[in-house]
Amino acid sequence: EVQLVESGGGLVKPGGSLRLSCAASGFTFSNAWMSWVRQSPGKGLEWVGRIKSKADGGTTDYAAPVKDRFTISRDDSKNTLYLQMNSLKTEDTAVYYCTSRLGATGYWGQGTLVTVSS
Amino acid sequence: EIVLTQSPGTLSLFPGERATLSCRASQSVSSYLAWYQQKPGQAPRFLIYDASSRATDIPDRFSGSGSGTDFTLTISRLEPEDFAVYYCHQYGNSPQTFGQGTKVEIK
Repeated sequence: EVQLVESGGGLVKPGGSLRLSCAASGFTFSNAWMSWVRQSPGKGLEWVGRIKSKADGGTTDYAAPVKDRFTISRDDSKNTLYLQMNSLKTEDTAVYYCTSRLGATGYWGQGTLVTVSS
Repeated sequence: EIVLTQSPGTLSLFPGERATLSCRASQSVSSYLAWYQQKPGQAPRFLIYDASSRATDIPDRFSGSGSGTDFTLTISRLEPEDFAVYYCHQYGNSPQTFGQGTKVEIK
């Protein structure tokens, strides 16, 4: 069974940093392109960024609001995806989901809540 | 950045009726468009990819069509569990983007 489990959310002050993790199981993680999507309270979905598999170059892409502040990385030996978030702003408050599409099936974690507030 | 505009914002229908949801892109995304369903407190559910391919285990009352800039999600006969918010998502151009959502509510 495929599982994606996010962790690392919490309360952080504006300007602070946080690292989210997404533990993957049930599939060959190293072959998967992985993404982060967020959802602010009561709002719609917002794409954050994506990392390709190492076989496909391992490159990353980011949405404009997080570019140069957020970094996506992966540790294929641990089957884990990361989202390093720096210089956090109040508008980064959201539930953060990791997600991947494997063939005709899309998988999402349950999300982890990040609250940026003083 | 490609902007996806979904219409209508809210669709009020009875169970058993047909739902037609629209997603329009500000420039061509070819067929690199997906649809998701989301219910309160839950993660999104993957419904359609490549504009018209149904995802695994998705009932055939859900269908997608379109290419280029105009896309449609059709639910042929609404079941009680289909009342939710639906999002389109383009992954043909970076940055990827989502539409703002269409809420399908019980009339």
